[in-house]
Amino acid sequence: KQEVTQIPAALSVPEGENLVLNCSFTDSAIYNLQWFRQDPGKGLTSLLLIQSSQREQTSGRLNASLDKSSGRSTLYIAASQPGDSATYLCAIDDGAQKLVFGQGTRLTINP
Amino acid sequence: DAGITQSPRHKVTETGTPVTLRCHQTENHRYMYWYRQDPGHGLRLIHYSYGVKDTDKGEVSDGYSVSRSKTEDFLLTLESATSSQTSVYFCAISDQETQYFGPGTRLLVL
Repeated sequence: KQEVTQIPAALSVPEGENLVLNCSFTDSAIYNLQWFRQDPGKGLTSLLLIQSSQREQTSGRLNASLDKSSGRSTLYIAASQPGDSATYLCAIDDGAQKLVFGQGTRLTINP
Repeated sequence: DAGITQSPRHKVTETGTPVTLRCHQTENHRYMYWYRQDPGHGLRLIHYSYGVKDTDKGEVSDGYSVSRSKTEDFLLTLESATSSQTSVYFCAISDQETQYFGPGTRLLVL
């Protein structure tokens, strides 16, 4: 059974810093990995999707990497802003179009 | 935003009563999902659908049933609500790649 872990559970950094969020998974047989953002009281917004055959994806200030052999993914946020404050979740699709989620990292960017 | 709506957005009900949550999409996506989100457990899959009248169980399906009679609607029913089903329920749709989530329904079972 796939298990997804995100550490730390919460992170607080000053505005302008570059930061990395971590996601680890137990089974390397994945179809894709997705990173989502969730604002308080809201639904999830997809940020980046990395296919199993890819090593990284970029969107603006966000860069996600995938290392299947080590069971790890990272989400890099450059030049953080207060508006980046949210909970970030990673999720694994094992090919059955079903996602297994980590519990998320709650990120706070301090002005 | 993907065209997904959930109704109701908030509901308070009593233990033992039936409850139906509705998810409606305007994207004509094949896959639809129901998740629940709870502190300490994260998001967990309840049921999903891969086509009209085609559904299957997820990780936490006990006490829940679903129906999908049209592409655009996916209903989640709690046959007899219990306090352990107090949660935030999210619907999602998929084009076989990215999943798009609805705004959620907050359900309180007293």
